[in-house]
Amino acid sequence: GDSVTQMEGPVTLSEEAFLTINCTYTATGYPSLFWYVQYPGEGLQLLLKATKADDKGSNKGFEATYRKETTSFHLEKGSVQVSDSAVYFCALIKAAGNKLTFGGGTRVLVKP
Amino acid sequence: DAGVIQSPRHEVTEMGQEVTLRCKPISGHNSLFWYRQTMMRGLELLIYFNNNVPIDDSGMPEDRFSAKMPNASFSTLKIQPSEPRDSAVYFCASSYAGRNTGELFFGEGSRLTVL
Repeated sequence: GDSVTQMEGPVTLSEEAFLTINCTYTATGYPSLFWYVQYPGEGLQLLLKATKADDKGSNKGFEATYRKETTSFHLEKGSVQVSDSAVYFCALIKAAGNKLTFGGGTRVLVKP
Repeated sequence: DAGVIQSPRHEVTEMGQEVTLRCKPISGHNSLFWYRQTMMRGLELLIYFNNNVPIDDSGMPEDRFSAKMPNASFSTLKIQPSEPRDSAVYFCASSYAGRNTGELFFGEGSRLTVL
């Protein structure tokens, strides 16, 4: 079946550091890929998405590129802030599907 | 525009009691999802509905759990009887199937503690 694998956290960084969170997936066909973010005490919210190979999703300084050859969708941010402390979830959905498959989540803690 | 509204935000109950969690999806959305989040298991999909009809309930842990969606603007998740291992944050999410597929809007969650 479909699956999403993320690097385990927690990831602890200093402010202004570079952040990478690895995500790889297993799925047949051509899924759409997503990053969701969960801030403390809140529900998940969509951060960015990419719907086909080589697409780059971006939002709030975060970027991720859909790499079909490596089945990856790594999340990056060049300079993190304390406010980026959250749990980040990678996810996929199959074309014509309606059910997201989530990774296990990666907790990121940014220290001042 | 109001988001997904869940109630209660926090519930503390004793083992054996019935628990009912409520969700009001975003108006116009036709898909609704119930998730459970714990430290041990992460985020688990319990059940989802399309146009008020349950489509996939394979994630419902056991018969103690039941979910209903009597109309497009309301859903409940019931646990009867509750057990300490049911302690978790329960999220409801909604979306419009067919548009921006994969973009779910989550509520703020209901934190359940079963003593």
